[in-house]
Amino acid sequence: AQSVTQPDIHITVSEGASLELRCNYSYGATPYLFWYVQSPGQGLQLLLKYFSGDTLVQGIKGFEAEFKRSQSSFNLRKPSVHWSDAAEYFCAVGGMDSSYKLIFGSGTRLLVRP
Amino acid sequence: GAVVSQHPSRVICKSGTSVKIECRSLDFQATTMFWYRQFPKKSLMLMATSNEGSKATYEQGVEKDKFLINHASLTLSTLTVTSAHPEDSSFYICSATSGGITSTDTQYFGPGTRLTVL
Repeated sequence: AQSVTQPDIHITVSEGASLELRCNYSYGATPYLFWYVQSPGQGLQLLLKYFSGDTLVQGIKGFEAEFKRSQSSFNLRKPSVHWSDAAEYFCAVGGMDSSYKLIFGSGTRLLVRP
Repeated sequence: GAVVSQHPSRVICKSGTSVKIECRSLDFQATTMFWYRQFPKKSLMLMATSNEGSKATYEQGVEKDKFLINHASLTLSTLTVTSAHPEDSSFYICSATSGGITSTDTQYFGPGTRLTVL
C-alpha cells in the first residue's frame, strides 16, 4: 500500500542551526515527491517537488531535499533555520498515473528556539 | 503565486444542519479541485476530486451523499456537509490546480475551514 512516513512528530532546533526533516515513502511506481509547509491561518505552501532528474532539489526559503531511491527517502534540509520557519511540514507523494492524488505524511511540527 | 481562498474560515453549527464551504481560485482557472479533511495532529486525508462540470470522484469510505461537492465553474467548488454530526467536526482544506489529474502543474491549497458541530 502506498504510504508516507514522517517519523518525527515534532522537532526543536535553535535559530541558526541546521535542520533535517525525515520522510520515507512506500510507492509501487515512480514517485513524485513534495514538501509542503503549513502555517496557522494559511494554506499549505509548496516548498519543493521532485519529479525526475537531479535528485537534489532546491526549493523556496532556502530549503532543499534529496531523493534517495535506495532508501525510499526524501528528507528536507535547511542549513540555517530562522524563527519564521516554525510551522508544520508535510511530505507527500503522488504518482505518474495520478500525480495530484497526493498521499500525505502525518506532518512534523518544527519549533525554533531563539 | 496562485491564490486559493476558502469561506468561511470557521463555522459552528448545530447537529442535523447542513453547512456549505466555498473554495475559490482567485487568479487562475482551476480545472481540478480537491477536498481534504485534516484531523488534529493528523495528516490530510483526500476526500474527493472534482473536475469542472463533472461529478466528483470520492475516495473509498467517504459518503458522497453526506459530503456533496459541486464544481460549477472554473473558479469555484463547494463542499456541503449535510445533516452534520459532531463526528464531522474537522478542518476541511481544498486545493486547486489548473492542470488535469496527471498534470505536473502545482496544486495550490486554501487556508482551510474549521467546522465545529455542536
